[in-house]
Amino acid sequence: DSGVTQTPKHLITATGQRVTLRCSPRSGDLSVYWYQQSLDQGLQFLIHYYNGEERAKGNILERFSAQQFPDLHSELNLSSLELGDSALYFCASSATGGRTGELFFGEGSRLTVL
Amino acid sequence: AQSVAQPEDQVNVAEGNPLTVKCTYSVSGNPYLFWYVQYPNRGLQFLLKYITGDNLVKGSYGFEAEFNKSQTSFHLKKPSALVSDSALYFCAVRDSYSGAGSYQLTFGKGTKLSVIP
Repeated sequence: DSGVTQTPKHLITATGQRVTLRCSPRSGDLSVYWYQQSLDQGLQFLIHYYNGEERAKGNILERFSAQQFPDLHSELNLSSLELGDSALYFCASSATGGRTGELFFGEGSRLTVL
Repeated sequence: AQSVAQPEDQVNVAEGNPLTVKCTYSVSGNPYLFWYVQYPNRGLQFLLKYITGDNLVKGSYGFEAEFNKSQTSFHLKKPSALVSDSALYFCAVRDSYSGAGSYQLTFGKGTKLSVIP
């Protein structure tokens, strides 16, 4: 158990809809990262938050947004969903800004867009 | 930009035999390299990392990795494979400092390891 909690574990929705994925980092970790894992693209970095502030953006679509709240949990919002958004979305946390490279991953939220 | 390549999509090895999962990297500057493992329906777990020092790095579950600067490789190894080692293995490189106190990991596409009883 990594200590990182993600909900929901599975989500099925239709094209055009909006969903919210939630992540609670390990106790004391200030950094939250979001990654998307798909068969064709592999593991892609989406966005990094540190103590409530956005620190870096990766390959995140404009239809996607995220935030980190004062209690350090984070939410990833996906809107105007397309079939190609079907993927496994991982949250990871670390105590720092990622300098050591050791991230603790949740078990992921599997999104299926029909 | 940093990148890693895992040339094999799948590696099959018999239980008890040594295993190697290959990774090559491309970085500007000193490399910070990592291996993660993903078991079915689970998140990724950190195995080991190389930042500096000895070229042979020891990690969790009996795994080790050999850093070779001249060949820009960071292969994962284990002397004797177990069936329970069957999983998806990812090599990763830490990106250069992007400012604002953030580093990210760039992952390879993963190698599926199957250990055959």
